Amino acid sequence: GQNIDQPTEMTATEGAIVQINCTYQTSGFNGLFWYQQHAGEAPTFLSYNVLDGLEEKGRFSSFLSRSKGYSYLLLKELQMKDSASYLCAVLDSNYQLIWGAGTKLIIKP
Amino acid sequence: GAVVSQHPSWVICKSGTSVKIECRSLDFQATTMFWYRQFPKQSLMLMATSNEGSKATYEQGVEKDKFLINHASLTLSTLTVTSAHPEDSSFYICSASTAGAAYEQYFGPGTRLTVT
Repeated sequence: GQNIDQPTEMTATEGAIVQINCTYQTSGFNGLFWYQQHAGEAPTFLSYNVLDGLEEKGRFSSFLSRSKGYSYLLLKELQMKDSASYLCAVLDSNYQLIWGAGTKLIIKP
Repeated sequence: GAVVSQHPSWVICKSGTSVKIECRSLDFQATTMFWYRQFPKQSLMLMATSNEGSKATYEQGVEKDKFLINHASLTLSTLTVTSAHPEDSSFYICSASTAGAAYEQYFGPGTRLTVT
């Protein structure tokens, strides 16, 4: 079966750095997405990785290792508004998005 | 660009009634629209994929006679929850794609449905 694993919840301090991990086992791979979802709102796109390595975009970076079936989202200089759920999703061989359950990130002052 | 709207943003209905949710792509033509459902503290669950002018493809376990999807134009898709029950209460989210696949999806803001 297809599976996406990410921690259920994480806590970090304002101004700090946090890394949210995602491991996947899917039938084929055509890219991995990270989305941010605030409570009661729809997901918003953060990043897309299809090749190994680190993609940096402002305070957010995303890393992919296809051989390990592993990705992480790195958030720097955390702000209170970064409190949200972060969803990892993989595009499988049929170009279907397989979603993780999301990681709820709590930022404390 | 690439804005998707949903209407209504929230709705409360009585058990047994039907509710229609609209999803519109405001500034682009969406060849494919996706309907998701999300229960509290759970991930998005794809319900169906619809292409303009053709019947929707439903995911396993989703009742097509209960969740009617119409994708009549390149900018509008509707989801009708028929004979709603309290267990249908959920957050319904649509997304739209111009690529005909899940590669690049633009999400609507979601509709909170509560069935009493």
